[in-house]
Amino acid sequence: DGGITQSPKYLFRKEGQNVTLSCEQNLNHDAMYWYRQDPGQGLRLIYYSQIVNDFQKGDIAEGYSVSREKKESFPLTVTSAQKNPTAFYLCATNGGWTYGYTFGSGTRLTVV
Amino acid sequence: AQSVTQLGSHVSVSEGALVLLRCNYSSSVPPYLFWYVQYPNQGLQLLLKYTSAATLVKGINGFEAEFKKSETSFHLTKPSAHMSDAAEYFCAVSDQRNNQGGKLIFGQGTELSVKP
Repeated sequence: DGGITQSPKYLFRKEGQNVTLSCEQNLNHDAMYWYRQDPGQGLRLIYYSQIVNDFQKGDIAEGYSVSREKKESFPLTVTSAQKNPTAFYLCATNGGWTYGYTFGSGTRLTVV
Repeated sequence: AQSVTQLGSHVSVSEGALVLLRCNYSSSVPPYLFWYVQYPNQGLQLLLKYTSAATLVKGINGFEAEFKKSETSFHLTKPSAHMSDAAEYFCAVSDQRNNQGGKLIFGQGTELSVKP
């Protein structure tokens, strides 16, 4: 089945540590996105990439970094500079007009 | 800039009653609008989308939404609520203008509770 795999589903880290969230897709979609979800705030865009080796900041990029070395993969690193990293993180792809947006099942990050 | 406002962070209805979830948008260009549903600790599932064809859009699970340009609204309705409809619902607008990926801008979400 084609889809998006986010791993792990739950992640715990100590404050001050960097952590990388994985997002892999086999949909052959060009565009990929990372969103952060907090209660009562909807989903906010962190970074997005429309093509390999290129990405743009979203609305809340501070404290995060990404790479897009392969079409299938768009990992997100939450750095120690992110003041409040505990949240639910969603990865998504866009397959153009025909296929639209597809979302992964998310990673819940808890920093203690 | 585009934005979405969902009126009401929590809506509670009785089983069998009408569901109405409100969404207003702001866009300087003809908008592409979406409704998504999210169950706890899961990703988002598309309910329906408006892409400038028919103003009344029918989606999955008996939901529909009507695009009203004069009111800048895209409210989601379902004639008869079912217990399984309890979830969080998000309205979103896209800035996509070609066949490449655009950004989705989300509202704050509305949590729907269904009472037996």
